[in-house]
Amino acid sequence: SQTIHQWPATLVQPVGSPLSLECTVEGTSNPNLYWYRQAAGRGLQLLFYSVGIGQISSEVPQNLSASRPQDRQFILSSKKLLLSDSGFYLCAWSATGGSGANVLTFGAGSRLTVL
Amino acid sequence: SQQGEEDPQALSIQEGENATMNCSYKTSINNLQWYRQNSGRGLVHLILIRSNEREKHSGRLRVTLDTSKKSSSLLITASRAADTASYFCLTGGSEKLVFGKGTKLTVNP
Repeated sequence: SQTIHQWPATLVQPVGSPLSLECTVEGTSNPNLYWYRQAAGRGLQLLFYSVGIGQISSEVPQNLSASRPQDRQFILSSKKLLLSDSGFYLCAWSATGGSGANVLTFGAGSRLTVL
Repeated sequence: SQQGEEDPQALSIQEGENATMNCSYKTSINNLQWYRQNSGRGLVHLILIRSNEREKHSGRLRVTLDTSKKSSSLLITASRAADTASYFCLTGGSEKLVFGKGTKLTVNP
């Protein structure tokens, strides 16, 4: 069966520090991968999505970046965090075809607090 | 944009009552999905309805889709306190999957 792992679960970082959140998927190949951010009490903002290795579509360029170095690995990074980067970050995957296409499975989330 | 918009933004009901929330969208879709998010957790897929379907059931959930009005509704019957969560619709049609702001449902015991 397919599983998705996301870490770290929580982190507190000072303004200006770097960030790296990692997400890996098991039990499937060539998934579509997504990063979403959710501010407190708000909806989900799509940050990045990827349909293949090295293919990243950015919805919110700002000071965040994403990379997909391997088929089932998706990394969210920042060189210098801002206060506004605080939030709940969710990684998700979907199949690329068949009956499961576009159905998202989410990780448990990473809660980032920037001080 | 394919983003769906849910309404109401918040809904508070008593246990045992039915809860209805709506989703409107602007472009043609292949399917529409509903997700639930418990506080501080990831989203969980509830149900998917295809554009050629008008109604679908799953347990206490009933989803309708009206493509002529570009709208969908999610009905939760005989609600329970455990149904307290935020509910989001997701309109599909490409790899870019964008959620609406959600409906926050509170079921009071």
